[in-house]
Amino acid sequence: DAGVIQSPRHEVTEMGQEVTLRCKPISGHNSLFWYRQTMMRGLELLIYFNNNVPIDDSGMPEDRFSAKMPNASFSTLKIQPSEPRDSAVYFCASSTSFRGSTQHFGDGTRLSIL
Amino acid sequence: SQQGEEDPQALSIQEGENATMNCSYKTSINNLQWYRQNSGRGLVHLILIRSNEREKHSGRLRVTLDTSKKSSSLLITASRAADTASYFCATDRREGGSEKLVFGKGTKLTVNP
Repeated sequence: DAGVIQSPRHEVTEMGQEVTLRCKPISGHNSLFWYRQTMMRGLELLIYFNNNVPIDDSGMPEDRFSAKMPNASFSTLKIQPSEPRDSAVYFCASSTSFRGSTQHFGDGTRLSIL
Repeated sequence: SQQGEEDPQALSIQEGENATMNCSYKTSINNLQWYRQNSGRGLVHLILIRSNEREKHSGRLRVTLDTSKKSSSLLITASRAADTASYFCATDRREGGSEKLVFGKGTKLTVNP
């Protein structure tokens, strides 16, 4: 079975540009999570969905960040406008439940904002 | 603040030796999980231990949980160069009505051939 698929794997763009990260969760998984990983702050949960509905977006740093899950097989994380401090690796993960389940991670998008 | 804190931050050993990593947490938990991350890749789940369990094994991995001390350890026996990776503990945490998994900052393990 295919795992969690993220695209693009790498993104380099200039400050002020809009960035869209994409995620396809594992088929049959009901919960989807977006994380950001940096050396300074480690792995931070940004937002998670259950059955396509956002449950907790308290980790989204600012209004410049938004996430959508229009259907069970696709989610996007958008940054508009992007800033250099948004540079990080962004991971998407999915699981069968948002409670007490193991999470399956994609290989991430390495984002560099110049 | 991080729910789980691993130590040491970095560990370097020789192939064949055992590696022990520790995780401490602050609040009560339902379960604790360990994940591995190879360089440039996503996290991979290794093992989940529930709050009513004290020890769990999976192949060369042994996880212990001491809820009275709010700590867990991950032991990798007979380490191999392929075990080189970062290892994270994760605990469930309830905040503002929602439940989430909170990861520590990890232990970077290097196994030298």
